[in-house]
This record gives sequence, structure tokens and C-alpha cells, in this order.
Amino acid sequence: ILNVEQSPQSLHVQEGDSTNFTCSFPSSNFYALHWYRWETAKSPEALFVMTLNGDEKKKGRISATLNTKEGYSYLYIKGSQPEDSATYLCAFSRGGYQKVTFGTGTKLQVIP
Amino acid sequence: GAGVSQSPRYKVAKRGQDVALRCDPISGHVSLFWYQQALGQGPEFLTYFQNEAQLDKSGLPSDRFFAERPEGSVSTLKIQRTQQEDSAVYLCASSLRRDSSYYGYTFGSGTRLTVV
Repeated sequence: ILNVEQSPQSLHVQEGDSTNFTCSFPSSNFYALHWYRWETAKSPEALFVMTLNGDEKKKGRISATLNTKEGYSYLYIKGSQPEDSATYLCAFSRGGYQKVTFGTGTKLQVIP
Repeated sequence: GAGVSQSPRYKVAKRGQDVALRCDPISGHVSLFWYQQALGQGPEFLTYFQNEAQLDKSGLPSDRFFAERPEGSVSTLKIQRTQQEDSAVYLCASSLRRDSSYYGYTFGSGTRLTVV
């Protein structure tokens, strides 16, 4: 059984604060790590797919880093806005498998 | 279509009833996945198609669950004799490429199934 853990489970921040969350995954047989943003009543939206140790990706105010040797990824949001309120999911895949295993998500609420 | 379309958006079923959930992936997308998300959990893998071939159905929780994609486009997830534990959001995702775990998915908005 693959364990993908995300922390914290939920987070409330003030508008303008920067924040970050963690995704932990098994470090053996790593293939890819996905981050998705899921707003209420919408589809999960792909943010990043990361495949190489040391990868850093950025999309606007959101960035992510990857450490495959120790099995973790960080997602950072700079200057949080109310529209960033969503559940952030990470998902891990092993080599040879098309399916991914999701964490339980971090629910972010940005307070105006 | 522009995105992955799922229908119905919401479904309430009486225990014991059969339900069918539909997924219309992005045109030309080869890979199609079904995931189940129970309350408070992350999405869990159910099954995977590459074109019309069901390559992995290891996540289907029981023989009451059946999925098909007969022409390699639209897929249907059928649940027979629904039970309360089947209440969940059912997500469909598709990917242009065969190596979808390397490139990522496009998700639909899900079908929220409530069994009463």
C-alpha cells in the first residue's frame, strides 16, 4: 500500500500572507508527482507534474519543489488571494504504473 | 469537447438501485481513468482504459462495479445494487498520452452519488 501524506489537513490564512504545504510519498521507484487545485463545484485543475529530483516549477504566485530522494514536495503560495481558496491535492506515481495515488489534500481558506 | 464532461452531476439512488455514470473525455484522449472520492479522503483509483482496452481494474471495490469504454471515447461506470458505502464523488480523468502519469490528467467535475 502506497502512503501519500499531506500536511496540514487544513489552513486558514489572511489575504496577502504567504503559505506552504507538504506532500510526503515513498522515495523508492519514483516516477512522477502531480499537484492539483480543486475548487468547490469545479474540476480538479492540474498545477504541476514533476519528474526530476530537485525540480522547481512556478505558475504565477504558486511554486513547487521536489525531493525524490527523501520523498517530499512543497507547494508555496506567495501573497495568498481569496481566489486561492481550494483543496490542494498531490498525487504520486511509481514506475510502470499509469495510475496515481492521491493524498487526502490540504484545504486552504484565504480570509479577505 | 473543451473539457472532460461527466453526467449526471448529482445522483441520489435508493439502496439496491443500479446506477450508470457517464464520462465524455476530451476528443482524442487515449487514456481514461475513474477515481472514487469518499468524504474526507483523497481520490482512490478504480479503473483505467487505454482506448477501448481496460488495462487495470484492480481498484474496483466489488463485482457490483463495472466500467466500459466500447469505442474508445465515452466511458460508463455502472454500479449494481448500490449500497450506502458507495456514496462518494466519482471523478473521471483523461489524458492525451499513453504515459499519463508522466504528463498529468484533465479531470471532469465529478458525479456526486448519494445512496439513501
